[in-house]
Amino acid sequence: DSGVTQTPKHLITATGQRVTLRCSPRSGDLSVYWYQQSLDQGLQFLIQYYNGEERAKGNILERFSAQQFPDLHSELNLSSLELGDSALYFCASSGVSVGTEKDEQYFGPGTRLTVT
Amino acid sequence: AQKITQTQPGMFVQEKEAVTLDCTYDTSDPSYGLFWYKQPSSGEMIFLIYQGSYDQQNATEGRYSLNFQKARKSANLVISASQLGDSAMYFCAMREGAVDYKLSFGAGTTVTVRA
Repeated sequence: DSGVTQTPKHLITATGQRVTLRCSPRSGDLSVYWYQQSLDQGLQFLIQYYNGEERAKGNILERFSAQQFPDLHSELNLSSLELGDSALYFCASSGVSVGTEKDEQYFGPGTRLTVT
Repeated sequence: AQKITQTQPGMFVQEKEAVTLDCTYDTSDPSYGLFWYKQPSSGEMIFLIYQGSYDQQNATEGRYSLNFQKARKSANLVISASQLGDSAMYFCAMREGAVDYKLSFGAGTTVTVRA
């Protein structure tokens, strides 16, 4: 158990719908990362938050957005869903401060999204 | 260009033997970190081992060791004394710089341990 929790574990929804994925980082970790794992794209970084602020953005679609709340949990919002958005979405957290080297990211169990 | 290359899509290894998983990386940043993760069929991503670009010694964690060859830009994972529970997908990943900490992942290598 990594200490990172994600809900829900599975999500099945229809095209055009909107969903929210939730992540609680390990206790004390300030950074949250979202990754998407799909068969054709592999594992891709989406977005990072550090202590409530957006730190880095990757290949995140405009239809997707995220935020990190004062209690450090994070939500990833996916809207106008398409079949190609079906994937495993991971949240990871780390406790490193910016400027240090070692950064072990611990992953949650993932949310498997199926868009039909 | 691919930042992380894992050239072995799948490997078979006999129980109790060692296996080496290849990983090469591409970066011009002098500061970077290399990670290996294990993903069993259940889907979770398990952190295994970390190597920093300035680390002088190869990282080791139990049965996992990282063969870090900086000049060749390679960071191969060695699993010693393979166990049936080691059957999984293994991903090499890299963090570049020290500002954001996003990871770039390779395509992964599937390891199957035979009894």
